[in-house]
Amino acid sequence: AQKVTQAQTEISVVEKEDVTLDCVYETRDTTYYLFWYKQPPSGELVFLIRRNSFDEQNEISGRYSWNFQKSTSSFNFTITASQVVDSAVYFCALVDSNYQLIWGAGTKLIIKP
Amino acid sequence: DADVTQTPRNRITKTGKRIMLECSQTKGHDRMYWYRQDPGLGLRLIYYSFDVKDINKGEISDGYSVSRQAQAKFSLSLESAIPNQTALYFCATSDGGDYEQYFGPGTRLTVT
Repeated sequence: AQKVTQAQTEISVVEKEDVTLDCVYETRDTTYYLFWYKQPPSGELVFLIRRNSFDEQNEISGRYSWNFQKSTSSFNFTITASQVVDSAVYFCALVDSNYQLIWGAGTKLIIKP
Repeated sequence: DADVTQTPRNRITKTGKRIMLECSQTKGHDRMYWYRQDPGLGLRLIYYSFDVKDINKGEISDGYSVSRQAQAKFSLSLESAIPNQTALYFCATSDGGDYEQYFGPGTRLTVT
């Protein structure tokens, strides 16, 4: 069965700290895609990154970086030098062989000033 | 203007009423989706459509129906609303099954 697990329900850090959000997935497919989305307090869902299963290179975008490891079925997300505006719920998701997105339950990130 | 719009943004209705949520997109995508979000459960797929003539049930389609009136429009109906359908509903579109989805702003539905 396809499954995405975000074991951290809520994380709270002080501004400027680095923080890593964990995502572990399960799939029998050899080709799949992983995503991260951000949901700020205003409620909209914002796409952050898409990664296919053949590309294990780490990705960096400004203060955001992603570490994809097929060996451990993980796709973790790190925010460096966190800011209050990073406070949001972050979702990891997997596209299965039927092209349906399977979502994790989300991690609520609180950045304290 | 937003690429994906949803109406209404908020709705309070009574048990047993029929209600329709509407979604429109200007991205030109063929694929459209309806999700519901409940606290602590992430998003769950209700229905999805790969084109006007192709509609599929998602994980939690019971109690819901959809209509794809055009490439740009995808409506979700609750035939007889019940309180446990109180949730935040999102419409989304994508350019392909394995591509990122673009979401509307959400509709907060309360069934009393």
